[in-house]
Amino acid sequence: DTAVSQTPKYLVTQMGNDKSIKCEQNLGHDTMYWYKQDSKKFLKIMFSYNNKELIINETVPNRFSPKSPDKAHLNLHINSLELGDSAVYFCASSLLRGISGNTIYFGEGSWLTVV
Amino acid sequence: LAKTTQPISMDSYEGQEVNITCSHNNIATNDYITWYQQFPSQGPRFIIQGYKTKVTNEVASLFIPADRKSSTLSLPRVSLSDTAVYYCLVGDPSGGYQKVTFGTGTKLQVIP
Repeated sequence: DTAVSQTPKYLVTQMGNDKSIKCEQNLGHDTMYWYKQDSKKFLKIMFSYNNKELIINETVPNRFSPKSPDKAHLNLHINSLELGDSAVYFCASSLLRGISGNTIYFGEGSWLTVV
Repeated sequence: LAKTTQPISMDSYEGQEVNITCSHNNIATNDYITWYQQFPSQGPRFIIQGYKTKVTNEVASLFIPADRKSSTLSLPRVSLSDTAVYYCLVGDPSGGYQKVTFGTGTKLQVIP
């Protein structure tokens, strides 16, 4: 069973389009995250939710809007896609918040290419 | 801000022991040190976590000196499949310790 699953795995789309990436975890965790990994491989946190509440919101363009309908799901919607949005987006979840005494489980990533 | 510093890259031959050191001079008193591994085209995965002295599991060992300002991840007898990026993490006070921040990591290349 996949613990953290995200769809789609690959997405190629044109500039200006709106797209969504879905994420689901079946671990019963309270905290979920979205990370972006760019071409330089730097892994940067975008958002973190705890029990459907936004707790971390990094400096991310407001074209990116996360939505958590319940604590097992955290979807990422991106409006007006730009070339610079091309990256791998990782969803993750954990039982606790923060890093200490906590284990974070990552999905397999969604490869977004904007053309 | 607490942050970590680790070598950008390392090369090792198969069968050797690899030690990757991370410095975290401003680690908080109650903070743990955690290491993640990321294979190409995959998400990071947890390897090991410790607070002090030594922790060992089936994958690696983690050595933490008494001052806790650094830590060393030790991978015994690496194989080609250990080629990955290894991240050292400590708590990030900028997010009230709720933020999980990855640094640049150490890219380990295992050579046949």
